[in-house]
Amino acid sequence: DTGVSQDPRHKITKRGQNVTFRCDPISEHNRLYWYRQTLGQGPEFLTYFQNEAQLEKSRLLSDRFSAERPKGSFSTLEIQRTEQGDSAMYLCASSRITLAGLETQYFGPGTRLLVL
Amino acid sequence: EDQVTQSPEALRLQEGESSSLNCSYTVSGLRGLFWYRQDPGKGPEFLFTLYSAGEEKEKERLKATLTKKESFLHITAPKPEDSATYLCAVRGLSGGSNYKLTFGKGTLLTVNP
Repeated sequence: DTGVSQDPRHKITKRGQNVTFRCDPISEHNRLYWYRQTLGQGPEFLTYFQNEAQLEKSRLLSDRFSAERPKGSFSTLEIQRTEQGDSAMYLCASSRITLAGLETQYFGPGTRLLVL
Repeated sequence: EDQVTQSPEALRLQEGESSSLNCSYTVSGLRGLFWYRQDPGKGPEFLFTLYSAGEEKEKERLKATLTKKESFLHITAPKPEDSATYLCAVRGLSGGSNYKLTFGKGTLLTVNP
């Protein structure tokens, strides 16, 4: 079990540019989540996938944000026309439902985005 | 809408000085209360899940308890390596969503040697 991995770990971009982040979940985890965390705050939910289906999107996820999970494995989060307010840590988490119906989300190390 | 409030925002302890962190929550249909530890610049690390009032879980110097309105994370004889931000989160049935976690802002714990 190698844990959730995210790439890149850090990204600096200029306002107006597009950026894409990747998340590789724990193998055999069919659920994948994206969260955003700003300084001094807890993570905020952005979107959720079960296998390849995107089942829920937060109101925080504007039209400039898009997420995919082709083939139900890795996921990408793209931000188009970045704004300074997009600067944050983007966290990915994965999970699976146990036979008892329980679920724990395991987080990756995050991608820290700075928009200049 | 689910809500989580953590207190205090920051806590400084001397090594060996036991204390507790509080997590108050409002949730429609609790499907789990979660404690995570987060070190600077890293993702949250899972500690505990509690599902029903009266439940307790322990791991090394940490013990988590749950009532119908709040959870406590007790830290016994802390060491400097316990310094981190401790995050509390709930999963409920608010708005038909039983997938996402709703987090508090966290408690920044500093343990001085």
